[in-house]
Amino acid sequence: GAGVSQSPRYKVAKRGQDVALRCDPISGHVSLFWYQQALGQGPEFLTYFQNEAQLDKSGLPSDRFFAERPEGSVSTLKIQRTQQEDSAVYLCASSPMARRGYNEQFFGPGTRLTVL
Amino acid sequence: KQEVTQIPAALSVPEGENLVLNCSFTDSAIYNLQWFRQDPGKGLTSLLLIQSSQREQTSGRLNASLDKSSGRSTLYIAASQPGDSATYLCAAFPFSGGYNKLIFGAGTRLAVHP
Repeated sequence: GAGVSQSPRYKVAKRGQDVALRCDPISGHVSLFWYQQALGQGPEFLTYFQNEAQLDKSGLPSDRFFAERPEGSVSTLKIQRTQQEDSAVYLCASSPMARRGYNEQFFGPGTRLTVL
Repeated sequence: KQEVTQIPAALSVPEGENLVLNCSFTDSAIYNLQWFRQDPGKGLTSLLLIQSSQREQTSGRLNASLDKSSGRSTLYIAASQPGDSATYLCAAFPFSGGYNKLIFGAGTRLAVHP
């Protein structure tokens, strides 16, 4: 079956622009995660959704970052007034269950954001 | 706060060698530990997931072990091939720190040359 997909795969933005990154999780997956991966580093958690509810947004670096999943499937990560330090790969992952500790996360290919 | 460290940061080996990648975590209170592979410009592919009650998992030429008491996990790759070249990431799933977040190491970049 289809895996997690993300679009666009690459995005170049001028500093100060707003961007929107899309994630299509595996159909039927309850849990959805966003991670940010800087060059040469491991991914870092941004936010977590269980269906349409955003249960954890503790990793969002500033109030310029906003995520939503209004119908419990597709999710959008929006970054307002982009800064150079926002340049990174943004990874989306989904998981079939919401039960803590027992769910394997399946990752999409990521969106590489470059802010000039 | 859970921290995950991977050693070595980079590794270059000739084809056919058996090799070990190391992962350590500071807090033994974890649900599970997961090993991933990441190819350049690609997302993460899950290789093995070890639940906290397990000591190891095997998939083909890969074997991952978990020792919670010492805060360590190792990924063993047998008879390495050039196609194994990638970055290998380990991630711990801690009891604390919010919902379902994985804590990743920085990865080990592996190059297997013919």
